[in-house]
Amino acid sequence: EAAVTQSPRSKVAVTGGKVTLSCHQTNNHDYMYWYRQDTGHGLRLIHYSYVADSTEKGDIPDGYKASRPSQENFSLILELASLSQTAVYFCASSDLGDQDTQYFGPGTRLLVL
Amino acid sequence: GQQVQQSPTSLVLQEGENAELQCNFSTSLNSMQWFYQRPGGSLISVFYNPSGTKQSGRLTSTTVIKERRSSLHISSSQITDSGTYLCAMEGGMLSGSFNKLTFGAGTRLAVCP
Repeated sequence: EAAVTQSPRSKVAVTGGKVTLSCHQTNNHDYMYWYRQDTGHGLRLIHYSYVADSTEKGDIPDGYKASRPSQENFSLILELASLSQTAVYFCASSDLGDQDTQYFGPGTRLLVL
Repeated sequence: GQQVQQSPTSLVLQEGENAELQCNFSTSLNSMQWFYQRPGGSLISVFYNPSGTKQSGRLTSTTVIKERRSSLHISSSQITDSGTYLCAMEGGMLSGSFNKLTFGAGTRLAVCP
């Protein structure tokens, strides 16, 4: 069964600090994604990647960096965390195909103080 | 850019009632997906439905590309159906959004005994 795991599951960070969120998938998928979800809203795409060592900007990339060191791992980096980055972050993976949905991780709840 | 509008924003049902959730999109479509999310939980794919009608148990999804809409019908609702239902569209290859999802804000469903 498809498996996407995220760590940490929750984190409290201070404004201006560095935060790294990690994602690991065992689906053998080429595509990986990072989304954020704010209370009462849908998900918005931050960064994505379709191959190791390459990342692409999504719809809201400002303030975030991404790293894809291998097919299985995809990280989201907040170099200088800000209050506005408090949200739940979801990682997902998918394969390139006509009938392929995205498989989501459990989410990371980030609180920036 | 792409926009996805969901309605209603929230819905309260008595157990056994039916529900119709709507999703409207503004640009060309490659696929439409419906996800289910429990409070504080991850997203689970419910339907991958680029066009036409698909059924799975008590759930039916209908996507009409020409009318730029997709619906999710829940029949004989159960308490366990409570949660948030999100639709997400993937744009066509020429839209610049191929293999990227744009989410609606979701419909929060509460089913009461």
